[in-house]
Amino acid sequence: QVQLQESGPGLVKPSETLSLTCTVSGSSISSGYYWGWIRQPPGKGLEWIASIYHSGITYYNPSLKSRVTISIDTSKKQFSLNLRSVTAADTAVFYCTRSLFSSDCPYNWGQGTLVTVSS
Amino acid sequence: EIVLTQSPGTLSLSPGERATLSCRASQSVSSNFLAWYQQKPGQAPRLLIYGASSRATGIPDKFSGSGSGTDFTLTISRLEPEDFAVYYCHQYGSSPQTFGQGTKLEIK
Repeated sequence: QVQLQESGPGLVKPSETLSLTCTVSGSSISSGYYWGWIRQPPGKGLEWIASIYHSGITYYNPSLKSRVTISIDTSKKQFSLNLRSVTAADTAVFYCTRSLFSSDCPYNWGQGTLVTVSS
Repeated sequence: EIVLTQSPGTLSLSPGERATLSCRASQSVSSNFLAWYQQKPGQAPRLLIYGASSRATGIPDKFSGSGSGTDFTLTISRLEPEDFAVYYCHQYGSSPQTFGQGTKLEIK
């Protein structure tokens, strides 16, 4: 059974970089799946941020593309998100996801981690 | 980007009733790559339906999806207390992937 666990600081200062890592267990990270990040501001809806295929091909939401980098480390079974120049509007629960096999549809989700941007 | 509009915003029904949730896309969803998720407070979303009408593993058949192109529907027959939650539609056929704003299904 695949498990995804987000980790990273719960508090980030404005203008700094938000860095999160998702550790994967119970699944290969090396074939057939898209790995992604989705966020949800408190009390609001869901926003897709980015996806990465095991080969390293990346897909970004244009609204965030200038500030976001997604990367994957297959040896550690981890993938990561960096979001630069954060503001209070970036405060959200961040979820890491695994897709259905050979599809970019998010299927498995981590429990989510709340990141607050505040000085 | 494709904008997904869900209706109604809130749906008030009683256990045992049938729920019909709508999702309309601003343009045709490629290959009907449209999914539905259920989210309960404090939990991550759970995939119910993908490809407009295919149930995800372990999802009971009281959940059904239909539609194509720009109009999609999630139907929940025989509502049970655990079905009251927020439901999101999601298109993953075009980048960027987008979500609807959600429909809150509440107990009447």
